[in-house]
Amino acid sequence: GIQVEQSPPDLILQEGANSTLRCNFSDSVNNLQWFHQNPWGQLINLFYIPSGTKQNGRLSATTVATERYSLLYISSSQTTDSGVYFCAVEEGRRALTFGSGTRLQVQP
Amino acid sequence: DAGVIQSPRHEVTEMGQEVTLRCKPISGHNSLFWYRQTMMRGLELLIYFNNNVPIDDSGMPEDRFSAKMPNASFSTLKIQPSEPRDSAVYFCASSSNMNTEAFFGQGTRLTVV
Repeated sequence: GIQVEQSPPDLILQEGANSTLRCNFSDSVNNLQWFHQNPWGQLINLFYIPSGTKQNGRLSATTVATERYSLLYISSSQTTDSGVYFCAVEEGRRALTFGSGTRLQVQP
Repeated sequence: DAGVIQSPRHEVTEMGQEVTLRCKPISGHNSLFWYRQTMMRGLELLIYFNNNVPIDDSGMPEDRFSAKMPNASFSTLKIQPSEPRDSAVYFCASSSNMNTEAFFGQGTRLTVV
């Protein structure tokens, strides 16, 4: 099956800093989503982005499907951004395959 | 819409007991997914349905696990008999169809003692 690798595995930031999270995948995909799992365990949809660039407030994402990677940018980080960020991809008619996540801690 | 609804939110049971997890997908969604999250294995797909038909159950760990979708608005995941290694958070998700945005429920935290 498809391989999904996320980096870095852990990230500690000071409040106000910017960061870039990366997701590499091993094959062509039909769907790519970014999720935030908050400290209560909820999986919150951030972006549905099989290709191109999207922005939502302080967050933006870019997927370059031909080069098999996606980036999630977090600007002016806040303590509420803490949690685990997951990238997940779909290939063909298979369901979402998740990466192992990036654990982000934003310190005040 | 209220989103994907799972019940119960928490379940503690004794080894050997039957456990049933329930999921109501978003109205109008045709695809439904069951995932399991553990520290060791992360988020892994157990099974998914399209139009109430199981499409891929290759992630179901063993015969102790079974899933049904009797209609478009309800699905169950059953474990019988349960074992301590089944302890995990079980998520249900739905999407309008394959290759469209999926939305997750709040999960059921299962503890088997």
